Amino acid sequence: EIVLTQSPGTLSLSPGERATLSCRASQSISSSYLAWYQQKPGQAPRLLIYGASSRATGIPDRFSGSGSGTDFTLTISRLEPEDFAVYYCQQYGSSPLFTFGPGTKVDIK
Amino acid sequence: QITLKESGPTLVKPTQTLTLTCTFSGFSLSTSGVSVGWIRQPPGKALEWLALIYWDDDKRYSPSLKSRLTITKDTSKNQVVLTMTNMGPVDTGTYYCARRRGTNSFDCWGQGALVTVSS
Repeated sequence: EIVLTQSPGTLSLSPGERATLSCRASQSISSSYLAWYQQKPGQAPRLLIYGASSRATGIPDRFSGSGSGTDFTLTISRLEPEDFAVYYCQQYGSSPLFTFGPGTKVDIK
Repeated sequence: QITLKESGPTLVKPTQTLTLTCTFSGFSLSTSGVSVGWIRQPPGKALEWLALIYWDDDKRYSPSLKSRLTITKDTSKNQVVLTMTNMGPVDTGTYYCARRRGTNSFDCWGQGALVTVSS
């Protein structure tokens, strides 16, 4: 089973700053199989990035994904007030088919 | 416009069976490559994938919960049903259904259904 680790657990930043979130897999995974979600309190997750670097429909270009192998990164170039949320990475694999990381909370400094 | 909505009981007693229905619109589960999954989230915790059903009726389950889960679909009603047996307090949480569309991720989600397990 592939385990995803996200760091940091909490990221305290101000609007306008750059956010860099890390997702590390316990084994190498295909870039095609790595996604990122944003979740705000009381809401369902929203797909941001799939295939490690492709933005989902309607996602602003301040969100970008990169990485390969075991190390993946979600970058928010300039934080907007609506970007303060919890972010999860997710991988698609063999068993279990999908696993999620523990999440990184981006809160206002 | 694609929508998904979960429905079912908000409160179940320990040892009971939970049945949740996902009713969707804007896509068809008979279209090749489409699948619908269930994901849950205990209060304040991370997401956990539970089950997935494919357009061709193939099914996949979380290994840790496989013995307790059944996923079915009714294509004519645009519904996917999840049953989970022997519910316990640790199963309390929000249960989401979501569409997977071949990108190995879930691109559309329901609003979630909060289920509490308590006597």
